[in-house]
Order: sequence, then structure tokens, then C-alpha cells
Amino acid sequence: AQSVTQPDIHITVSEGASLELRCNYSYGATPYLFWYVQSPGQGLQLLLKYFSGDTLVQGIKGFEAEFKRSQSSFNLRKPSVHWSDAAEYFCAVGAKNTDKLIFGTGTRLQVFP
Amino acid sequence: ETGVTQTPRHLVMGMTNKKSLKCEQHLGHNAMYWYKQSAKKPLELMFVYNFKEQTENNSVPSRFSPECPNSSHLFLHLHTLQPEDSALYLCASSQGAGLPGELFFGEGSRLTVL
Repeated sequence: AQSVTQPDIHITVSEGASLELRCNYSYGATPYLFWYVQSPGQGLQLLLKYFSGDTLVQGIKGFEAEFKRSQSSFNLRKPSVHWSDAAEYFCAVGAKNTDKLIFGTGTRLQVFP
Repeated sequence: ETGVTQTPRHLVMGMTNKKSLKCEQHLGHNAMYWYKQSAKKPLELMFVYNFKEQTENNSVPSRFSPECPNSSHLFLHLHTLQPEDSALYLCASSQGAGLPGELFFGEGSRLTVL
């Protein structure tokens, strides 16, 4: 079955610390992978996406993610977290010729000053 | 106005009421979506419309009735809902045509069913 797993429900980091949010997927076809962010009271905004090519992708707000096919993972990273990064982060997977994205349950990030 | 706009932002209704959620996109996209977001659950895709035609109905109960009069507008008509239908309903749009491209989301309509 197709699925996305975000094993960390809640992560707390100090401002300025590095961050890694985990995402594992199970998908039969070649996956198209996405990270979205949702601030309180807002809709979701795309941070970055991977379709093909270089497995390290850069996104907005200083985020990057690395696709590792052997581990079925697409982890999100940021070298230095800012207080404004506090939000909920969603990993999603889709495939060519489909409109359907499958989302994970999300990871809530809390940032302490 | 730009982006994806949803109204109302908050809605409280009884189980016997009939109400509608509205979504409008100003991005020139061809596909529009309804998602349901409940606490501690993944986003659930409800409906997909491509060029005004419904291309996905993810086994949604008939008490939810979508309508897409044109590529810019999407409605979700609600009737005889249950308390477990309380959730944040998100509308999104994309270029569409079977491409897993970027989704642009509205801010959502927070629905409470009493």
C-alpha cells in the first residue's frame, strides 16, 4: 500500500540549532516527493519538491532535502533554525500522471529562543 | 486578489443544517481539490476536478456534495453532517492535467458540527 510515514510527531529545537525532519515512503511507482509547511491558521505552502536528477534539492526559506532511494527516505534539513520556522511540516508523495498526493501525518516543530 | 481564497473561514452548523463552503483560485490553474484535515490524521483527499470534470471521489459520503461550475470556483455543499465531520477543509489548486505538481492551498474553512 502507498503510504508516507513521518515518525516524529513533535520536535523541539533551540533557535540556531540544526534540524532534520524524517520522512519515509512506500510507493510502487517512481515517486515524486514534496515537503509542505503549515503555519498556524494557514494553508499549506510548498517548501521543495523532487522529481528527478540531483538527489539533494534546495527549497525556500533555507531548507533542503535529500532523496535516498535505497532507504525510501526524503528527509528535510535546515542548518540553522529561526523562530519563524515553528510550524507543522508535511511530507507528501505522488507519481507521474496522477493528481493524487499522499500526505504524512505531519511533524510539529517548536523553536525555543 | 491572488492565490486561493476560501470562505467562510469558520462555520458552525447543526446536524440538520445545509451549508456550503466556497473556494476561488486566481492562478489560472486547471485542477482544484478538496482535502479534509483532522487532528493527528494525514490530509485526506476528498475530490479532484480537472477542467471542471470530477476525476477523483475518494469514497466520500454523499452528505458532502462538490460542485465545480468553472475552473476558478469550487464548492462543497454540506448537509446532514455528523460531529465526526468537524475538521479543517482545505481547498487547493494546481496546473492539473495529471501532473503531480505543486498544490496551492487556501487557508481553510474550520467546520464544527454540533
